[in-house]
Amino acid sequence: GAGVSQSPSNKVTEKGKDVELRCDPISGHTALYWYRQSLGQGLEFLIYFQGNSAPDKSGLPSDRFSAERTGGSVSTLTIQRTQQEDSAVYLCASSSRPGPVFEQYFGPGTRLTVT
Amino acid sequence: LAKTTQPVSMDSYEGQEVNITCSHNNIATNDYITWYQQFPSQGPRFIIQGYKTKVTNEVASLFIPADRKSSTLSLPRVSLSDTAVYYCLVGDISTGANNLFFGTGTRLTVIP
Repeated sequence: GAGVSQSPSNKVTEKGKDVELRCDPISGHTALYWYRQSLGQGLEFLIYFQGNSAPDKSGLPSDRFSAERTGGSVSTLTIQRTQQEDSAVYLCASSSRPGPVFEQYFGPGTRLTVT
Repeated sequence: LAKTTQPVSMDSYEGQEVNITCSHNNIATNDYITWYQQFPSQGPRFIIQGYKTKVTNEVASLFIPADRKSSTLSLPRVSLSDTAVYYCLVGDISTGANNLFFGTGTRLTVIP
């Protein structure tokens, strides 16, 4: 079956522009996660969804970051007024239920470069 | 959610057994231990999970001592294709997913 997909695979944007990153989770997975990975670094948790709701948004690095999920499926991570420090790979994952006990399936990521 | 500590990097020759240890001193009673593997330019993928003693699958073994304050991922007879970053993750079913902490992982380099 299809895995987690993300689009675009690469995005180059100018500082100050807004960007939208998309994630299509595995069908039937209720939990969806967003992570950020800077070059050579570990994964930084951003936010997770259980269904369409995000119980905890404290992982988002600033108020320029927002995320939504509609229909319990597709999710969009939006970064407003991008800054150079936002350059990173943004990874999406899904699991049957939320939490570290449940296996997460990761997408290939979106590489964001802010110039 | 229990935080974890792992070595930053390890080198190994092909064909050797590799053991990567993760410390999780404040692990809670209901926490499980999960390991992920990440190849360059890919998202992480699940390797193995355990609660206590030993778990083995077709890829690796996971050893957990009685006090559960650490765990060791064992990769038998590594090959060049095992070069990757390995992450240890600890948490329980009731944690939800708040602030999942993957850390920086252990970068394993397999040498010919």
